[in-house]
Amino acid sequence: QVQLVESGGGLVKPGGSLRLSCTASGFTFSDYYMSWIRQAPGKGLEWLSYISGSADTIYYADSVKGRFTISRDNAKNSLYLQMDSLRVEDTAAYYCARSGDVFDYWGQGTLVTVSS
Amino acid sequence: DIQMTQSPSSLSAFVGDSVTITCQASQDIFSYVNWYQQNLGRAPKLLISDASKLETGVPSRFKGSGSGTDFSLTISGLQPEDFATYYCQQYDKLPYTFGQGTKLEI
Repeated sequence: QVQLVESGGGLVKPGGSLRLSCTASGFTFSDYYMSWIRQAPGKGLEWLSYISGSADTIYYADSVKGRFTISRDNAKNSLYLQMDSLRVEDTAAYYCARSGDVFDYWGQGTLVTVSS
Repeated sequence: DIQMTQSPSSLSAFVGDSVTITCQASQDIFSYVNWYQQNLGRAPKLLISDASKLETGVPSRFKGSGSGTDFSLTISGLQPEDFATYYCQQYDKLPYTFGQGTKLEI
């Protein structure tokens, strides 16, 4: 069965960096686009970025462009999100999701808190 | 960016009721809408894709419809496990965007 497990969240100061990971199993990872989506506490869902199976297509939402970097290692069935220059408003649960146009499987999420 | 406006933002209903949640796009997005259900503290779950295609394993009491700018999710015969927050999402244009959510309360 498809499983996505995020890790790497935690408490970081404004201006700091954090790297999230998402480990996939149960499907051919390299065949799929993957996305990162976040949800601030008590708020709705915000799509952040996606990466194609071969990593030759990448797109970012304006809110994170220039600060976050998505990447993947197909040999390790892993997706990453490098988050730099973090702001208080980046505080959220971060989900990885198998995607293309439809987010059909989601991880359980990892919580990122940006606070001094 | 395409704005997705859901209504209502919250809704109270009884077990056995039927409810409809609507989602309006800021421009024509054909049928490029998905619907998700999120229970408290859990990840969202895909219910319906392409406006009306029910995902495998999703009960038939969930029905999606619409095209263009107006979409709806109808749940017939509410069950206790249906009380959750529902989101629409467009995939016609990047960035993908979600509605603000509709909280369905018992």
